[in-house]
Amino acid sequence: NAGVMQNPRHLVRRRGQEARLRCSPMKGHSHVYWYRQLPEEGLKFMVYLQKENIIDESGMPKERFSAEFPKEGPSILRIQQVVRGDSAAYFCASSPPGGAEVREKLFFGSGTQLSVL
Amino acid sequence: DAKTTQPPSMDCAEGRAANLPCNHSTISGNEYVYWYRQIHSQGPQYIIHGLKNNETNEMASLIITEDRKSSTLILPHATLRDTAVYYCIVRVYSSASKIIFGSGTRLSIRP
Repeated sequence: NAGVMQNPRHLVRRRGQEARLRCSPMKGHSHVYWYRQLPEEGLKFMVYLQKENIIDESGMPKERFSAEFPKEGPSILRIQQVVRGDSAAYFCASSPPGGAEVREKLFFGSGTQLSVL
Repeated sequence: DAKTTQPPSMDCAEGRAANLPCNHSTISGNEYVYWYRQIHSQGPQYIIHGLKNNETNEMASLIITEDRKSSTLILPHATLRDTAVYYCIVRVYSSASKIIFGSGTRLSIRP
């Protein structure tokens, strides 16, 4: 059973370009979470999605950032018109459906390191 | 969700037991204690969780005090690969369930 897959592993963009980060959850998992980690800082929650629905986007910046988790295919975190401050590691996690005890056990991917020049 | 307090850093000799404390004095009866760790440049990794009984798995043991106001994660025989930031999280189920990571404890294992 493959783990959470994130790609690309490294992404370089120039200021003003768009960045698209992909996350394929573990098989059978229907919950996806995105976190951002700035250099030497902690993990910051961004958004929580279930299939085709955004459940909690309280950690998403109001502009330029969006996320989706379509019925088919990976979850996408999209950053438009990137700026240098967007440079960070972006981690995706998934959890299985079920009761609270099970759902709180997150499985993380290896992350995408975004560098904005 | 209950707030947790962890020491910012600790160190331990290789081969010895590493005991990482966590205070959660405002924990509610239906909140679980979860531990994760993040090795440098990697995604966080689930370690263990419990409600009120002590728990053990292949990675660690979790000791929760009887009043549930604190817990200790025990790595029985620490190795250099256990060097990481360890996060203690308490959570109650809600329909919008996100996990908030605090600052954690940076554990350094010395040879």
